[in-house]
Amino acid sequence: DQQVKQNSPSLSVQEGRISILNCDYTNSMFDYFLWYKKYPAEGPTFLISISSIKDKNEDGRFTVFLNKSAKHLSLHIVPSQPGDSAVYFCAAKDSGTYKYIFGTGTRLKVLA
Amino acid sequence: EAGVTQSPTHLIKTRGQQATLRCSPISGHTSVYWYQQALGLGLQFLLWYDEGEERNRGNFPPRFSGRQFPNYSSELNVNALELEDSALYLCASSRRLAGGELFFGEGSRLTVL
Repeated sequence: DQQVKQNSPSLSVQEGRISILNCDYTNSMFDYFLWYKKYPAEGPTFLISISSIKDKNEDGRFTVFLNKSAKHLSLHIVPSQPGDSAVYFCAAKDSGTYKYIFGTGTRLKVLA
Repeated sequence: EAGVTQSPTHLIKTRGQQATLRCSPISGHTSVYWYQQALGLGLQFLLWYDEGEERNRGNFPPRFSGRQFPNYSSELNVNALELEDSALYLCASSRRLAGGELFFGEGSRLTVL
């Protein structure tokens, strides 16, 4: 049972445009959501997070939106840069078990 | 401040052998999480240790085990290695029950021949 889903395995965007990465979840016990960026053979790097009591969090070029009623979150990157090319994982923390569940990732390619 | 460190970086074993992977969390962090990332797949939750205790484990067989030491470093043991255990094993740490971000190490690449 995949509790956190990233339905788009890959995404290509032109440099300077907006990248939108999506994530859906099923567990109502999730209370904290995170986005990580990962390069091959390296550990994931934390990007941005959002608590379930908020619907938006912004940090520089990165904004995360949370729609609790739809159980959906998204990561917006504006403007996209070639260095943003990586695999992006969304993750969610279960408030009961403290497990962090990760999605399967979306490979973002920013074209110069 | 040093980040999460993992060793070894790479490890090659044969089927049936045992592998031991090590992790040192960020100073001040008492929670350690282990994840497995097999080739082309996402991060699968393995184990969570906090204050020396195993707090939760994922859907992995008992031959995946570990422990956390008094200094909060952790060890992951994989017994009776199988070919499908070949993966990147990632360790992450966080402050105790803070429910905040996980900070990951660079991972240990285990290859089973």
